[in-house]
Amino acid sequence: EPEVTQTPSHQVTQMGQEVILRCVPISNHLYFYWYRQILGQKVEFLVSFYNNEISEKSEIFDDQFSVERPDGSNFTLKIRSTKLEDSAMYFCASATGVEQYFGPGTRLTVT
Amino acid sequence: EDQVTQSPEALRLQEGESSSLNCSYTVSGLRGLFWYRQDPGKGPEFLFTLYSAGEEKEKERLKATLTKKESFLHITAPKPEDSATYLCARMDSSYKLIFGSGTRLLVRP
Repeated sequence: EPEVTQTPSHQVTQMGQEVILRCVPISNHLYFYWYRQILGQKVEFLVSFYNNEISEKSEIFDDQFSVERPDGSNFTLKIRSTKLEDSAMYFCASATGVEQYFGPGTRLTVT
Repeated sequence: EDQVTQSPEALRLQEGESSSLNCSYTVSGLRGLFWYRQDPGKGPEFLFTLYSAGEEKEKERLKATLTKKESFLHITAPKPEDSATYLCARMDSSYKLIFGSGTRLLVRP
């Protein structure tokens, strides 16, 4: 069964460093999303992406964040200068229609 | 503000003891009500989508129902492997998911 994959599973970085989180969506999906979940809190929407451009972004998704689909398979989330409060699980999701399928997540720890 | 509220926060059941989880939501351009299962340290696993009041969907020991302002996830004769956090989410008019805080279910053998 096709599934969304994410790498790395765990990323530790120092405050102020850039990180890139990678996702391989399900192959025939057209809609891509990033969500995050701070420990003990709700899963919250960051950004949606369709047809090579951002469809919507949340207030969290400020100028420090960017997304890219550099080739036909990968979908990346870049954080330019990480802050302590960026520590969270980051989930990629993809969809053909309304049903979104999530990856296993990347745990980002900012020290 | 769009809100999704789940109750209870945590639920402990004995194996075989049926129960229901609740999800209430504000109505504002609802495009679907979603249930996911989340195991510790993992991503949400899709279970069901409901679109209109009166709709029901079943999968093994789980049944999801929808009214105009609430959804219920009924668990019949649960087993220890059903232990997980169950997340409810509504899809808004821009197709993003708005999640509740989840119900942590523990099923004891």
